[in-house]
Amino acid sequence: DVKVTQSSRYLVKRTGEKVFLECVQDMDHENMFWYRQDPGLGLRLIYFSYDVKMKEKGDIPEGYSVSREKKERFSLILESASTNQTSMYLCASSSPGTGGADTQYFGPGTRLTVL
Amino acid sequence: EDQVTQSPEALRLQEGESSSLNCSYTVSGLRGLFWYRQDPGKGPEFLFTLYSAGEEKEKERLKATLTKKESFLHITAPKPEDSATYLCAVTIASGTYKYIFGTGTRLKVLA
Repeated sequence: DVKVTQSSRYLVKRTGEKVFLECVQDMDHENMFWYRQDPGLGLRLIYFSYDVKMKEKGDIPEGYSVSREKKERFSLILESASTNQTSMYLCASSSPGTGGADTQYFGPGTRLTVL
Repeated sequence: EDQVTQSPEALRLQEGESSSLNCSYTVSGLRGLFWYRQDPGKGPEFLFTLYSAGEEKEKERLKATLTKKESFLHITAPKPEDSATYLCAVTIASGTYKYIFGTGTRLKVLA
């Protein structure tokens, strides 16, 4: 079974704090992803990584950065948290599929509240 | 513009009342279509991948089908434990690893 774990289920932070969200996968997947999910907006891609130390911006990278020092671990960093970053954050990793259609497996999510 | 649309937004069924959820897509070069189930406050759980028109996949009371324009998730004789949000996503030929998600269908099955 694929297992993707996230460091916290719930997190409450203050405006301006630096926030680290960590994600670990145990399936030796090349690709890892960070999304945020908001009501009415669905899942939006923040960043993804296709190899150690490699990253690419997704659709909404502003206000976020990422780090991938080891293959199994992908961190999302909020440099200075703001209230509009209150959201559900989801990590995923993917395995190769037919014709390049990789299947993504998600972690349980971190509900972040910024006060 | 590549787009995925799910309908209906919400669906209430009586236990045992079969129905279908729709995922229509307008993309250039579909590589794969994915169905996920998401319970409140949790991450999406993978259900199916479909790669080409005419393909079908089944799991318990769920059956996913794919045409050139849309996918259906058929739920046969649903039970209350099938209540969840069902998400559809696609990957496209030019999209590297990117998924395009629909906004989901919230399904409620009443006992």
